[in-house]
Amino acid sequence: VVLTQSPLSLSVTLGQPASISCSSSQSLVSSDGNTYLDWLQQRPGQSPRRLIYKISNRDSGVPDRFSGSGSGTDFTLRINRVEAEDAGVYYCMQGTYWPPYTFGQGTKLEIK
Amino acid sequence: EAQLVESGGGLVQPGGSLRLSCAASGFIFSDYLMTWVRQAPGKGLEWVATIKQDGSEEYFLDSLRGRFTISRDNAKNSLYLQMNGLRAEDTAIYYCTMFDCWGQGTLVTVAS
Repeated sequence: VVLTQSPLSLSVTLGQPASISCSSSQSLVSSDGNTYLDWLQQRPGQSPRRLIYKISNRDSGVPDRFSGSGSGTDFTLRINRVEAEDAGVYYCMQGTYWPPYTFGQGTKLEIK
Repeated sequence: EAQLVESGGGLVQPGGSLRLSCAASGFIFSDYLMTWVRQAPGKGLEWVATIKQDGSEEYFLDSLRGRFTISRDNAKNSLYLQMNGLRAEDTAIYYCTMFDCWGQGTLVTVAS
């Protein structure tokens, strides 16, 4: 499964919204009815951190300004008002058809 | 709180071997699939290998099969990655993860 993210880089003014898309080469709906599409954040110099799992579920401690949506092959991560700490690279990841787990190329978010 | 701490990285010559370790704490280790993910310098995330909860099954990136081995010791809450026949293209930070938690990573550099 190939995941294609767009845009690959994004520059957003502090307090403005941001949106990242992830498109899959095939539907990510699993035979159990779940869609295993996650979003990860990697701040500069840090390890990745999962923000969203199964399309739209926020992990513990993730601010509610982050939201995920989508279905089938098209998914979106939205940040409704970016903050300085949101700078970094964002990856989508699928776990429906593993092995292998696959990742998008990453989207670099710059905060202006 | 779940925590993963990798160790064992370093500089190794082409053709050499390294064994990475990951110490887990703060959760029931034996309940989780465990995975290694790597990130080459300046690049995105790449799945390496996953092992089932009881160690009965292992899954590898096709290009690594035969050179890398994944194992775990549930009594010691530890995950391992044995890497043989290392190549320059294996140079990366290697992360231990179950995706909702990531370690800080350990850097493997393959160079003469």
